[in-house]
Amino acid sequence: EIVMTQSPAILSVSPGERASLFCRASQNVRTNLAWYQQKPGQAPRLLIYAASTRATGIPARFSGSGSGTDFALTISSLQSEDFAVYFCQQYDNWPPEYTFGQGTSLEIK
Amino acid sequence: QLQLQESGPGLVKASETLSLTCTVSGDSIDSSNYYWGWVRQPPGKGLVWIGTIYYSGSTYYNPSLESRVTMSVDTSKNQFSLRLSSVTAADTAVYYCARLPLGYCISTSCYPVYFDDWGQGTLVTVSS
Repeated sequence: EIVMTQSPAILSVSPGERASLFCRASQNVRTNLAWYQQKPGQAPRLLIYAASTRATGIPARFSGSGSGTDFALTISSLQSEDFAVYFCQQYDNWPPEYTFGQGTSLEIK
Repeated sequence: QLQLQESGPGLVKASETLSLTCTVSGDSIDSSNYYWGWVRQPPGKGLVWIGTIYYSGSTYYNPSLESRVTMSVDTSKNQFSLRLSSVTAADTAVYYCARLPLGYCISTSCYPVYFDDWGQGTLVTVSS
């Protein structure tokens, strides 16, 4: 099983500032990585796939980077609606054995 | 506009079988471009993939749950279903259904990748 480790577990940032969240895979997943945003009481929402491609309707302030084992999600200027939990997910193996990171909670400072 | 809606009992007794159905609207479940799947989230915890199914009935399950999971598809009703047997308190979670697009292709085979649309989720509690 590919283990996904996210850091930090909790990130406190002020609105308008930049936030960087990280995800590390226990083995090479190439660019087969997605990021999701989840707000309380809601389903996850796809933000980024293929490590750096924004999903439909996702604002340009969200960007993804990385390949292999180390990945980052950057939010360039935090808006109030961006405070949420973020998960990464790898989809590199076949047959599929999708695994998620444990999440980073992005909180208002 | 794609919509996925989970339905099923919110309370299941320990040792019994959890059964959920996902009704898809706004897209055809027999589209060759998508797989369909289930993900669960225990209260206050992270996301766990349960399984994935194609309209043809081809399935892939999380190895940690495989012995207890059965997924099926009903194209006439545009639905797919999950059955999880011998449940315990550890199976208490919000269960989400979701769509997975086919992503990268190798030779003539293409594979599902990420979860691009999700249902709202349904809480299933296992009682003793």
